[in-house]
Formats: sequence, structure tokens, C-alpha cells
Amino acid sequence: DAGVIQSPRHEVTEMGQEVTLRCKPISGHNSLFWYRQTMMRGLELLIYFNNNVPIDDSGMPEDRFSAKMPNASFSTLKIQPSEPRDSAVYFCASTTTGRPEAFFGQGTRLTVV
Amino acid sequence: KNEVEQSPQNLTAQEGEFITINCSYSVGISALHWLQQHPGGGIVSLFMLSSGKKKHGRLIATINIQEKHSSLHITASHPRDSAVYICAVREQGAQKLVFGQGTRLTINP
Repeated sequence: DAGVIQSPRHEVTEMGQEVTLRCKPISGHNSLFWYRQTMMRGLELLIYFNNNVPIDDSGMPEDRFSAKMPNASFSTLKIQPSEPRDSAVYFCASTTTGRPEAFFGQGTRLTVV
Repeated sequence: KNEVEQSPQNLTAQEGEFITINCSYSVGISALHWLQQHPGGGIVSLFMLSSGKKKHGRLIATINIQEKHSSLHITASHPRDSAVYICAVREQGAQKLVFGQGTRLTINP
């Protein structure tokens, strides 16, 4: 398996633009997590899905952030409109019930200017 | 107070030294993870522990459930061990991970 795949690896956008980050979890995994990493706050959970259903979105900072998981093999995290304070590395991770190891993607480095 | 506290935040050592990184947590957990993040940014899962001790090469991880404490040890450290090491816990009954702030380790040749 290729592991958790995220795209793009890097994104630079202007303030106010819409940004969409993508994640393909490991095939067969039923839980998917979106994390954000900043220098100030470290790694934070934004939202996680179980069997494609959002279970906990309490970490989503505000209404500008939304996440979807239309099927078991794809998820998106959207920021609209983006702001400079959204600049961070966004990680996607997947796990499966009974196997608590977490597998992380390589991350998307987002810069909003 | 954070649910997961790591110490030290930064650690610089000479090649060959024995390294210890500590993690304390305040909640009941079902598992604790040690993760490694290299300067390139990718995160690798090193260990997942629920009790006792695990060893992989020069890395050893221990956990004391009663004391809510875990340690990551590196023997015969090498410059390629330079990375950020992150402790993360899975709370009982939950799927999500709660992370420590990380320990930045630098091993000088």
C-alpha cells in the first residue's frame, strides 16, 4: 500500500481565496483524521471521521473550515476564505478498528499571503 | 495544563550519548504513541504502547500506566536521530489522538 496520500504537498495562496486539501487514506482503514500543525500550538486535531461520518469536529477553528468524506477512499478539507493565520502544515492520518497504530500522510504545507 | 506534557522541549547531545525523552499525561488512555518528525516534515509512527516496554533497534519505549508516564530512549545516538519526537495518547473510549508539544532533538557529530 502506498500509505496515506495527501495533495498538494505545498500550497501558496492569497488571502481570501478558497483552498482545498485532499487525502486518500490507506485502503481498508475506517477512521480518518485531519490535523493542523503550527509552531505555536503544535499538532491539533481538527476533525475525524469514522466510516465516512464526522464524529468530532470540535477542533475545526471556525465556519471557514469544512471537511467532507464522500466515500471511504477520499476526504477533503476546505478553507473559504483563507486567511494568513491559516498558514500551517495540515496532516491527514488513518487508522482501522482494532489496529490502533496511526498512519500519517506527508502533510500539506499551506501558506496564505 | 496540557493533557500531554513532554520534557525536555529541546535537547542537544553528542553522538553516542544515551537519550531520554519523557511524556506525562493526565487522562486515562487506551494507547500511547511515540512519533518522529524529521525536518522534511513527514511523521512516522515509532511505537504504540499500552503497557510495558517495546524495543526496535536502538529505540526503547516504556510506559507506566499507574504513574501516567512514558519514556523514549535512544541508545548510541547518531546525527540521523535528529528530529522532533512527539508523544500522543488515545483517550479511553476515543479514537482521536491528543499530542504533546514535541521534543526537538539535535545530535551533533
